Amino acid sequence: GAVVSQHPSWVICKSGTSVKIECRSLDFQATTMFWYRQFPKQSLMLMATSNEGSKATYEQGVEKDKFLINHASLTLSTLTVTSAHPEDSSFYICSASKLLRDSPLHFGNGTRLTVT
Amino acid sequence: SQQGEEDPQALSIQEGENATMNCSYKTSINNLQWYRQNSGRGLVHLILIRSNEREKHSGRLRVTLDTSKKSSSLLITASRAADTASYFCATDATENTDKLIFGTGTRLQVFP
Repeated sequence: GAVVSQHPSWVICKSGTSVKIECRSLDFQATTMFWYRQFPKQSLMLMATSNEGSKATYEQGVEKDKFLINHASLTLSTLTVTSAHPEDSSFYICSASKLLRDSPLHFGNGTRLTVT
Repeated sequence: SQQGEEDPQALSIQEGENATMNCSYKTSINNLQWYRQNSGRGLVHLILIRSNEREKHSGRLRVTLDTSKKSSSLLITASRAADTASYFCATDATENTDKLIFGTGTRLQVFP
């Protein structure tokens, strides 16, 4: 089955620093990846759609200068949380699609970000 | 918000019992999917049902879809302690099939 690797699985950083999260599709090419944010016991909220070779598409209310997305290759998308603050602490999950009809999303295992 | 609603929010049952979770959504869809999430992990795809299908089975899972009511249900039969997880429905908007919108989720606890 398709595998998506997300790294790191957890990170603790100080306020004001930036954190980069990587999402790799290991056995298929993903022209599109998605970044979600999840608060405890809540659902996934789509933050942005990452498109290979072009700018990401951000959902309403998501600051693109705060959450920088780069999709430099068909197998790698990165999310950088810039100048992190405690309210950015959350669980971030990426997913990738094979973009075939009725193809499910394949998720990474998520990154737990704690900003102190 | 386009987010779907699921009920119940939480469900506790004994092993061997059946678990039923319901999902309602707001927009027209091409398909509806169910995912499972273990605590602190990513999501795992369980089953997909197309908008022109009414029922689908996969092992102990049974999914129904009623597009007239914009609702779906997931039934897990003969539940096991290992089924303990959160379950989410997800829909794609017909105008943008790349994007999935997730429901609020049901936290299922199966006691041995």
